[in-house]
Amino acid sequence: DAGVIQSPRHEVTEMGQEVTLRCKPISGHNSLFWYRQTMMRGLELLIYFNNNVPIDDSGMPEDRFSAKMPNASFSTLKIQPSEPRDSAVYFCASSLRGTGGEGYTFGSGTRLTVV
Amino acid sequence: GNSVTQMEGPVTLSEEAFLTINCTYTATGYPSLFWYVQYPGEGLQLLLKATKADDKGSNKGFEATYRKETTSFHLEKGSVQVSDSAVYFCALSDSWGKLQFGAGTQVVVTP
Repeated sequence: DAGVIQSPRHEVTEMGQEVTLRCKPISGHNSLFWYRQTMMRGLELLIYFNNNVPIDDSGMPEDRFSAKMPNASFSTLKIQPSEPRDSAVYFCASSLRGTGGEGYTFGSGTRLTVV
Repeated sequence: GNSVTQMEGPVTLSEEAFLTINCTYTATGYPSLFWYVQYPGEGLQLLLKATKADDKGSNKGFEATYRKETTSFHLEKGSVQVSDSAVYFCALSDSWGKLQFGAGTQVVVTP
C-alpha cells in the first residue's frame, strides 16, 4: 500500500482565496482524521470521520473550514476564504476503527502558506 | 477525559548518550499507548506501541514499558545517533481508536 496520500505537498495562496486540501486514506481503513500543526498550538485535531460520516468536528476553528468525505477513498478539507493565520501544516491520518492498538497512519502533510 | 503529559523540550544531548523522555497519562479504562516520531518535514510515524499493562514496546533501539501503577510510558534509548533528532509524541488510544497526543518533545542530538 502506498500509505496515506496528501496533495498538494505545498500550497501558497493569497488571503481571501479558496484552498482545498486532499487526502486518500489507506485502503480498508474506515476512520479518517484531519490535523493542523503549528509552532504555537502544536498538533490539533480538526475533524474525524468514521465510515465516511463526520463524527466530531469540534476542532474546526470556524465556519471558513469545511471537510467532506464523499467515499471511502477520498476526503477534502476546504478553507474559504483563507487568512494568513491559517498558515500551517495540515495532516491527514487514517486508521481501522475498533483496533485501538494499531494507531494511525499519517500522510506527509500539506504545508499551507497564506500571504 | 483522557490526557497525555510529556516533558518539554528541546532535549539536547551528544551522540551515544542515553535518552529518556517522560510521558504520563490520565485515562479511563485501559488505553493502548504509543510513541510517534516526526522527522523534519515529514508526517508522524509510529515508533512503538503497547496495548496492555507491563507490555514493552520496542523499535529501532527505542523502548517503552506500559506502567499502569504509575500511569507512565517513558521512552528510552541507550545510545542515540544524530539521525534520532526529531520530535517525539506520546499518545493514548481510547476504546474507539481515537488518539490523544501529548505536546511533543523535540530531541536534538549533536555529533
